[in-house]
Amino acid sequence: AQSVTQLGSHVSVSEGALVLLRCNYSSSVPPYLFWYVQYPNQGLQLLLKYTSAATLVKGINGFEAEFKKSETSFHLTKPSAHMSDAAEYFCAVSGLKGAQKLVFGQGTRLTINP
Amino acid sequence: DTEVTQTPKHLVMGMTNKKSLKCEQHMGHRAMYWYKQKAKKPPELMFVYSYEKLSINESVPSRFSPECPNSSLLNLHLHALQPEDSALYLCASSQGLQGNTEAFFGQGTRLTVV
Repeated sequence: AQSVTQLGSHVSVSEGALVLLRCNYSSSVPPYLFWYVQYPNQGLQLLLKYTSAATLVKGINGFEAEFKKSETSFHLTKPSAHMSDAAEYFCAVSGLKGAQKLVFGQGTRLTINP
Repeated sequence: DTEVTQTPKHLVMGMTNKKSLKCEQHMGHRAMYWYKQKAKKPPELMFVYSYEKLSINESVPSRFSPECPNSSLLNLHLHALQPEDSALYLCASSQGLQGNTEAFFGQGTRLTVV
């Protein structure tokens, strides 16, 4: 079985500051990990995914995430926050059954202060 | 074309009404999904279609009836809904069911049951 825990339901940073959103996973099989972003009243957009090819994954909009097996973590970072990054971010994990068993974390709301 | 299109964007219906939500993708994806998302919560899987056949029903009440007329279309028929069914309904698709395939989401239909 797979699960993810997102630490912090709400993160607030200043514009231009580092963004760090935390995600820890639990998986009985090698995991596939995803970060999705959801803007208000929108669907989910894939930011990036880890599929074992490389531990440091670069995504869209300047985001990246590093898979650390020893820490069972897949934290999302962005060096410099922009006002347009304000949104809800979901970490998700799947195993061998792929998207039909995609398990989401509870989400982290990112607020950007001017 | 990397879009999943959902119609309508908003829907208000009475508890005795019958309505349908529609979803369309032209990416050649062979798996399609319905999710339900309540406010401030992650999406919850409702149904999975694989090669136009229903493969997963997550114990969804029968007042929700999915239909997959062809590989590009997915419908969700609604009948006798309750106010607690008000939510954002998201459609998604994926190329297949392998672990490393990501789900592409539509913008959702905001459903309000009165």
